[in-house]
Amino acid sequence: EMQLVESGGGLIQPGGSLRLSCAASGFTFNTYSMNWVRQAPGKGLEWISYISSSSGAIYYADSVKGRFTISRDNAKNLLYLQMNSLRDEDTAVYYCATSIRGIQLWRPMDVWGQGTTVTVS
Amino acid sequence: QSALTQPASVSGSPGQSITISCSGTSSDVGGYNYVSWYQQHPVKAPKLMIYEVSHRPSGVPARFSGSKSGNTASLTISGLQAEDEADYYCSSYTSSSTRVFGTGTKVTVL
Repeated sequence: EMQLVESGGGLIQPGGSLRLSCAASGFTFNTYSMNWVRQAPGKGLEWISYISSSSGAIYYADSVKGRFTISRDNAKNLLYLQMNSLRDEDTAVYYCATSIRGIQLWRPMDVWGQGTTVTVS
Repeated sequence: QSALTQPASVSGSPGQSITISCSGTSSDVGGYNYVSWYQQHPVKAPKLMIYEVSHRPSGVPARFSGSKSGNTASLTISGLQAEDEADYYCSSYTSSSTRVFGTGTKVTVL
């Protein structure tokens, strides 16, 4: 069974940095692209970043561009999100997600983790 | 990239049909057949319900269907059931090589 487990969330002061991890299991991680999606308390979903299977293609939402960096370690089956210059509005549950239908950015996200909570205050 | 526009809430009685709209632009919904729909129950991760406008993943009940006309996509739930009460989000690929979600719709089963 494909499984994604996020970790690394917590309470951080504005301006601080945090690195989230997403551990993948049950599938050949290095052949799947990955996404990060977040959800602020009581708000909707917001896509924030995508990385291709080989890290050759990376995209960001404007809201995090220049502050957040997505990366992956295919040898360890890990996805990362380095978050710098954190703001109050970055407070959210952060999900990692992937598609079983292809590796392109436009593919739907079938498999989601349970999320990790980041609070900037 | 602005969020796609969805009605804040839609309600219906068990057995009825409801439709949720998702309005975008020619740079997202209207420009590509890469619209998907997600269901989210409270404190749960989203679940894919529809992809590429109208395709239903294995295991998703046939009462869920999707369509698109111009810059607006729609999700229809036919034969509404109590377990369908949840939040629903549309999502689209965009011409800026990003993805965008809708504002979300709360479905209430009366």
